[in-house]
Amino acid sequence: QSVLTQPPSVSGAPGQRVTISCTGSSSNIGAGYDVHWYQQLPGTAPKLLIYGNSNRPSGVPDRFSGSKSGTSASLAITGLQAEDEADYYCQSYDSSLSAPVVFGGGTKLTVL
Amino acid sequence: EVQLVESGGGLVQPGGSLRLSCAASGFTFSDHYMDWVRQAPGKGLEWVGRTRNKANSYTTEYAASVKGRFTISRDDSKNSLYLQMNSLKTEDTAVYYCARLPYDFSPFDYWGQGTLVTVSS
Repeated sequence: QSVLTQPPSVSGAPGQRVTISCTGSSSNIGAGYDVHWYQQLPGTAPKLLIYGNSNRPSGVPDRFSGSKSGTSASLAITGLQAEDEADYYCQSYDSSLSAPVVFGGGTKLTVL
Repeated sequence: EVQLVESGGGLVQPGGSLRLSCAASGFTFSDHYMDWVRQAPGKGLEWVGRTRNKANSYTTEYAASVKGRFTISRDDSKNSLYLQMNSLKTEDTAVYYCARLPYDFSPFDYWGQGTLVTVSS
């Protein structure tokens, strides 16, 4: 059971827009900690996609955007492309003692 | 170019030990915090632990699931990060990634390719 909750899967046709939610609590996202998003292509290591809730590292297309509100965050992907098919993870920090770094369970994006 | 290369994975029996290494290049290793993150087969990402930099006294933190069994260390003179894993359990089976971050609360901006640890009899 992950501390941050993501839908297990989402799907969309090429060119469409999809969103992936990440729901936390008052000890992590709601406490004001930033949310970061990672893309993991099949068989590869995670790659930073969005940092600080809504910022894109250099080289990440502007089709990817992030937002945060209250105890939740969202990743939006517009103009879906076949190469976007991957697992997506949100990550934040938590004030609990068991694990200060927390991840969502991951969302598998399927491009139909 | 920033590179992180893990090594040392393999098959180990329950109760055994293993030491993973992460060789860093392309950046000033000593300035950065370094973490270990693992991913069990077909599962999500799980944070393992952190070592801060010299400026922050090389302090470490661990996930509750590994505390007391795993030890993170670093050798800035060799640009290397280590994970000593003792009393291994079958549930420690995972790909182990090292990841770089500039400071607490920042994202993991670079990841290694991972090394697979299999704990099985």
